Amino acid sequence: EVVLTQSPDSLSLSPGERATLSCRASQTIDSRYFAWYQHKPGQAPRLLISSTSTRATGIPDRFSGSGSGTDFTLTINRLGPEDFATYYCQQYTDSPPGCTFGQGTKLE
Amino acid sequence: EVQLLESGGGLVQPGGSLRLSCAASGFDFRRYTMGWVRQAPGTGLEWVSAIFSSGSPHYSDSVRDRFTLSRDNSKNTLYLQMTSLTAGDTALYYCARRVEGAFDNWGQGTLVTVSS
Repeated sequence: EVVLTQSPDSLSLSPGERATLSCRASQTIDSRYFAWYQHKPGQAPRLLISSTSTRATGIPDRFSGSGSGTDFTLTINRLGPEDFATYYCQQYTDSPPGCTFGQGTKLE
Repeated sequence: EVQLLESGGGLVQPGGSLRLSCAASGFDFRRYTMGWVRQAPGTGLEWVSAIFSSGSPHYSDSVRDRFTLSRDNSKNTLYLQMTSLTAGDTALYYCARRVEGAFDNWGQGTLVTVSS
């Protein structure tokens, strides 16, 4: 099983600043199958980025994803008040099929 | 508009069983991989299971041999049969659609509580 480790566990920033969130995989993963989510209390998680760097529908270009191999990054430019949430990375492998999530980074 | 509506959660005793359902609408259900992701209290997201459009399911190690995932394409509905439940299965269970490995649409979740 691929283990995803996110860092930091929490990040304290102010509106207008830039957030950089990291996710490291225990083994090389296919960048086509790497995603980032935003999750707020009482809401369903929301897909932000798929295929490492493709923004989902309706996601502003302040959000960007990058990386390859075992190291991936989510960058959020010009933080807005609505961006303070917990962020998860996630990967999928197809042989055998399975998914894993990182433990989350709380942006506060 | 894609909609996913979970149901079937509730309070169940340890060792008991429960069946969750997810009613889908707004897209061609039969063509998509569907799955379940859960969040236990105070913890992060955990993938549980998914089923390809072909009907072939796959499971996380933590639920394999206890949970069974199936789909009824004629009813646009996903089912998760859960058996031998333990306190560790207590969580909010989300139904989600998976595209190219990513979960692009989610329901609001149904709460499962395992307690005596």
